[in-house]
Amino acid sequence: GEDVEQSLFLSVREGDSSVINCTYTDSSSTYLYWYKQEPGAGLQLLTYIFSNMDMKQDQRLTVLLNKKDKHLSLRIADTQTGDSAIYFCAESGGFKTIFGAGTRLFVKA
Amino acid sequence: DTAVSQTPKYLVTQMGNDKSIKCEQNLGHDTMYWYKQDSKKFLKIMFSYNNKELIINETVPNRFSPKSPDKAHLNLHINSLELGDSAVYFCASSQGGGEGYGYTFGSGTRLTVV
Repeated sequence: GEDVEQSLFLSVREGDSSVINCTYTDSSSTYLYWYKQEPGAGLQLLTYIFSNMDMKQDQRLTVLLNKKDKHLSLRIADTQTGDSAIYFCAESGGFKTIFGAGTRLFVKA
Repeated sequence: DTAVSQTPKYLVTQMGNDKSIKCEQNLGHDTMYWYKQDSKKFLKIMFSYNNKELIINETVPNRFSPKSPDKAHLNLHINSLELGDSAVYFCASSQGGGEGYGYTFGSGTRLTVV
């Protein structure tokens, strides 16, 4: 069945780059997403990439997709304390979106 | 205006009670979802409705019954609440399957069963 895996924790210093990794199993996924969840809030869509793309850049965010290895990464440049949150990778095909367990990003000042 | 709004935000209730959570979206989306987030933050889809029709019904106890009176509303009724039902329940909406747009989530309902 479909599965999405992420490492659970990442700690970086303010100003450094953060790289959050994700692997997924469903090769038919057409879109892959990154969501951000801050404490006490719902998930917020950060960015997405279509499965026929290798890279997408959106301001401080860079998404890399290796479709052969089913590996997705999110790079946050110049990480700020406000970036501290849980980041969810998700794969989608049709009406079902499967989420990873989330990576908790801690940013040290 | 809140795009996807859920009520109540917090719900504390005793085992065995019946409770409902309501969700409304003003985005004009045609698909709505219920997700359950456990204490480890793992998100699991429960139900999905497209234009008021149930399209996803995961392995969820039949004590949980969704209802969509129109495509802007999706409610969740839970009978005979159990301790294991304690979680945060998120409503979300999308246009179609959300392909290329993703989902818009509500802020969640924290259910605590005591």
